Amino acid sequence: DQQVKQNSPSLSVQEGRISILNCDYTNSMFDYFLWYKKYPAEGPTFLISISSIKDKNEDGRFTVFLNKSAKHLSLHIVPSQPGDSAVYFCAARQGGSEKLVFGKGTKLTVNP
Amino acid sequence: SQTIHQWPATLVQPVGSPLSLECTVEGTSNPNLYWYRQAAGRGLQLLFYSVGIGQISSEVPQNLSASRPQDRQFILSSKKLLLSDSGFYLCAWSRGPGVNNEQFFGPGTRLTVL
Repeated sequence: DQQVKQNSPSLSVQEGRISILNCDYTNSMFDYFLWYKKYPAEGPTFLISISSIKDKNEDGRFTVFLNKSAKHLSLHIVPSQPGDSAVYFCAARQGGSEKLVFGKGTKLTVNP
Repeated sequence: SQTIHQWPATLVQPVGSPLSLECTVEGTSNPNLYWYRQAAGRGLQLLFYSVGIGQISSEVPQNLSASRPQDRQFILSSKKLLLSDSGFYLCAWSRGPGVNNEQFFGPGTRLTVL
C-alpha cells in the first residue's frame, strides 16, 4: 500500500521555465510534508517542508503548495536551472510518528 | 554543525557473506537514527529506526539487523547476504523526539551482492 505517490517518474523542462513536481497521499493523518533532492550516488538533501496547517511555503526559487482536501502537494521551482536536474522525493509524516514515508521519486531534467 | 558519516562508500560482497555498515553522527546528542535502502528504480524504503541506545524498530522483515551500541552510532548487519540485498543504503538522523523534524541523510553505501 503506497501512501505517498509520485505518479510522474520523470519530467523535462527548459532552463528558465517553471518545474512543477506533484505528489499525492492517501493517509489523512499525515501532518507534515517534505521535499528532498537527490543526485546520483549521494544522499538526499532536504529542500523544503510544509505543515498541514499551511497551504503554501516559499524558500527562494522553491515553493511548496498543499491541498489537504485533494491530498495533493506540489513543488514549484522558478526559474529552473540545469543544476536542479536530480531526483526529487516527496515525503510525509504522520503526527506523533518519528518516521517518514517517501514516494518513489521524480527525475527532473532541466535542459540548457 | 552536525555531520553524518557512512562507510564504506562502496562494497562488493559475495552471496552468503556477512555485512556490516556503520553510520555515525557528530554535533548532536540523542538523535533519532534511520537506515533506508534504495533499490534500483525504487523509492526510499525504511528498514530500521532507533530513538535511543539499544532501541531498534524494524520496518521490513528480512535478513538484515540493526544495532545502536552508542548514542551516535548505528550499524546495519547481515549474517548472510542475498542477491536481493543489493542496493544503495542510506543512514539518516533527525532531532527527536519532536515535531516537524526533517531527516538529514548521509552519503550512502552502494552494496553489490554477487
